[in-house]
Amino acid sequence: GQQVMQIPQYQHVQEGEDFTTYCNSSTTLSNIQWYKQRPGGHPVFLIQLVKSGEVKKQKRLTFQFGEAKKNSSLHITATQTTDVGTYFCAGGGNKLVFGAGTILRVKS
Amino acid sequence: GAVVSQHPSRVICKSGTSVKIECRSLDFQATTMFWYRQFPKKSLMLMATSNEGSKATYEQGVEKDKFLINHASLTLSTLTVTSAHPEDSSFYICSALTSGRNNEQFFGPGTRLTVL
Repeated sequence: GQQVMQIPQYQHVQEGEDFTTYCNSSTTLSNIQWYKQRPGGHPVFLIQLVKSGEVKKQKRLTFQFGEAKKNSSLHITATQTTDVGTYFCAGGGNKLVFGAGTILRVKS
Repeated sequence: GAVVSQHPSRVICKSGTSVKIECRSLDFQATTMFWYRQFPKKSLMLMATSNEGSKATYEQGVEKDKFLINHASLTLSTLTVTSAHPEDSSFYICSALTSGRNNEQFFGPGTRLTVL
């Protein structure tokens, strides 16, 4: 079945540094979604990418969808302590396959 | 808008008992609801897809007689963990889809189940 791999598993950064998490699928995706889960919380939808090569920005967050629609990345510029949490990519249509998530810790 | 609630938020039960978890969409009608299981510091594992008025579709390896799902209305789905055992202890999260929101899933706050 479809698999979605996500790296790195953990990332500790100093506040102000950048952060990137990468997602790769074994198959072409119809779309990819990104979620953030704060410690002790539940996943919250961030964005959905649909088009090949699509790039979307939300303030300091930049999301990319690869040309082949098999990979994606989330980049955070100048991390803040409020960015801590686990970032998940999820591929597919209505039924999502989640990546393992990247745990982000930010040291102030 | 698009709020999903789950009840209870935490439950501790004895081995062999059954536990029912409710998932409600509070301000919208959910065309589809999903049930996930999440282990500590791990990803979400889809257990089943629930559509109102029809039988749930279970993922491979998930026992449908163990995890009973009922989707009685467009705003309520329930997951019953039958004859719970310690290995069923986990964080169970539901999510809901609604039309017009472009496949965005709205997640409930989750239920922490501990089986003694």
